Amino acid sequence: AQTVTQSQPEMSVQEAETVTLSCTYDTSENNYYLFWYKQPPSRQMILVIRQEAYKQQNATENRFSVNFQKAAKSFSLKISDSQLGDTAMYFCAFFSVAGANNLFFGTGTRLTVIP
Amino acid sequence: GAGVSQTPSNKVTEKGKYVELRCDPISGHTALYWYRQSLGQGPEFLIYFQGTGAADDSGLPNDRFFAVRPEGSVSTLKIQRTERGDSAVYLCASSPGIGYGYTFGSGTRLTVV
Repeated sequence: AQTVTQSQPEMSVQEAETVTLSCTYDTSENNYYLFWYKQPPSRQMILVIRQEAYKQQNATENRFSVNFQKAAKSFSLKISDSQLGDTAMYFCAFFSVAGANNLFFGTGTRLTVIP
Repeated sequence: GAGVSQTPSNKVTEKGKYVELRCDPISGHTALYWYRQSLGQGPEFLIYFQGTGAADDSGLPNDRFFAVRPEGSVSTLKIQRTERGDSAVYLCASSPGIGYGYTFGSGTRLTVV
């Protein structure tokens, strides 16, 4: 079974600074996808970034980038130039291609951007 | 519509009552998922539909929970004899295919009193 661990329940960052959220996972599979989702108080889960496990290049979406270390089973999210609108819960998620066809989520990190 | 729509946004019901939660996915998305999110937790998988059929219902906690998707579009999650422990946000998501990630709705907050 897969597990996704987010070891930072809460984090804060000054506006315009950079913050990194940690995520580790455990799997015996080789073909999978990893995601970061953002959940603001509106409750809607918003896809931030995705990474295919077979790609060595780290995914980047504007101010958001990941550090994917497949051997270490680590998938951290870096937010550059933090903005007040980045304040939200952030969830790391794992999707197995061959196994259970559903996203498996971590417990989340609550990020607060301080003005 | 442009996104995944869930109704109602909030539902308060008495213990023992029956409730239905509706999800209208993005047009053309064949995969539909239901998740349950308790306070302070990540979403937990309940059931996955591919078209009209339930491809995986292993996350349903017990036989009081049931979901349908009769025409391969709108889905309804049904909970019988509700209990206070069923209180949570129920999230629906749809996807066009493997690896694309899901588009989520805003969820239904169910409160059982």
